[in-house]
Amino acid sequence: AQSVSQHNHHVILSEAASLELGCNYSYGGTVNLFWYVQYPGQHLQLLLKYFSGDPLVKGIKGFEAEFIKSKFSFNLRKPSVQWSDTAEYFCAAGSGNTGKLIFGQGTTLQVKP
Amino acid sequence: NAGVTQTPKFQVLKTGQSMTLQCAQDMNHEYMSWYRQDPGMGLRLIHYSVGAGITDQGEVPNGYNVSRSTTEDFPLRLLSAAPSQTSVYFCASSSQGISYGYTFGSGTRLTVV
Repeated sequence: AQSVSQHNHHVILSEAASLELGCNYSYGGTVNLFWYVQYPGQHLQLLLKYFSGDPLVKGIKGFEAEFIKSKFSFNLRKPSVQWSDTAEYFCAAGSGNTGKLIFGQGTTLQVKP
Repeated sequence: NAGVTQTPKFQVLKTGQSMTLQCAQDMNHEYMSWYRQDPGMGLRLIHYSVGAGITDQGEVPNGYNVSRSTTEDFPLRLLSAAPSQTSVYFCASSSQGISYGYTFGSGTRLTVV
C-alpha cells in the first residue's frame, strides 16, 4: 500500500538552529515527492517538489530536500531557521498522472525567538 | 484568478443531516482532490478526479460522495453526517498530473454535533 511516514511529530528549535525533518515513503513505480507548509490559520503552500533529475531540490524560503532512492527518503532541511518558519510541514508522495497524492502525518515546527 | 474556492468556510451540522461542500477552480485544472485534515493524522485523501466525468476513491471515502460534471467544480457530499466527520476539509487542484503539485483552497471547517 502507498504510504508516507514523517518521523518527527513535534520539533522545537531556537532561531538560527539547523533543521532536518524526516520523510519516508512507500510507493511503487516512479514517484513524485513534495513538501508543503501550513502556517497557522492558512492553507497549504508548496515548498518544493521532486520528480526527476538532481536529487537535491531547492525550494522557497531557503528550504531544500534530498531524494535518496535507496532509503526511500525525502528529508527536508534548512541551515538556519527563523521564528517565521513556525508552521506545520507535510511530506507527500504521488505517481505521475494518477492524480493521487498521499500525505504524511505532518510535523509541527516551533521556532523560539 | 481566484484559484481554488471553497464554500462555506464554516459549517455546523447535526448528526444525520446531509450537506454539500463546494469547490471551484478557475485555472482549467484537470486534477482535483478532496482531503480531510485531523490533528496528528495529516491530510487524508477522500476522493479525487483526473477529469470531468472521472472520479476515484482515496484513503477514506466512506460516508462521502463526489461527482465531476464540469472541469471547474468538484463538490463533496456528506450523505448522513456523523461526529467522526468533524474535520477541516481541503479541496485542491492541479494541471498535468500531480508533478506540478496541487494548489489548495482555504478549507471548510465542519463540526458535526
